[in-house]
Amino acid sequence: DIQMTQSPSTLSASVGDRVTITCRASQSISSWLAWYQQKPGKAPKLLMYQASTLESGVPSRFSGSGSGTEFTLTISSLQPDDFATYYCQQYNSYSYTFGQGTKLEIK
Amino acid sequence: QITLKESGPMLVKPTQTLTLTCTFSGFSLSASGLGVGWVRQPPGKALEWLALIYWDDNKRYSPSLKSRLTITKDTSKNQVVLRMTNMDPVDTATYFCARYGSGKVAFDIWGQGTMVTVSS
Repeated sequence: DIQMTQSPSTLSASVGDRVTITCRASQSISSWLAWYQQKPGKAPKLLMYQASTLESGVPSRFSGSGSGTEFTLTISSLQPDDFATYYCQQYNSYSYTFGQGTKLEIK
Repeated sequence: QITLKESGPMLVKPTQTLTLTCTFSGFSLSASGLGVGWVRQPPGKALEWLALIYWDDNKRYSPSLKSRLTITKDTSKNQVVLRMTNMDPVDTATYFCARYGSGKVAFDIWGQGTMVTVSS
């Protein structure tokens, strides 16, 4: 099974900050990586797919990059609505794995 | 508007079989490239993918849970059913169903989730 490791596990930041979350795969997954945002008590929301394609309706302050085994999600200027938990998800050989999550907190 | 909603028991006993139904609207599971999957989340923990059924009736399961899972679809009823056998307290979680797009290789629309507790 492919393992996904996110870092950091928790990130404290302020409104207006630029933040980056990293997701590493235990083996190459090409660009088959998605990012989700989840708020407490809510379902996850798709932000990005195929590593760098923004889902429709998602603000352009979100961007993704990477391929192979290392991927990043960047928020260019944090807004109050962005404080949430973020998960990466990989696809490889008809199997899917989520990372352990990164909680983005208000500093 | 695309919606998905999970339904099933809130409480099951250890060793019992859990049956969850995902009822969706706004898309057809006979449309090429689409699927419906199940993901669960234990309280305070991360998301875990369980199973996925594709428009062509191909099915994929989490390797670690494959022996306990069965996913089926009823296209005419717009429903997908997940069965998980031999439930254990560690299976206590919120269970989500979500639409899957092969083009995106991601789950783009999610249900609200249903909390299932395993306890005697």
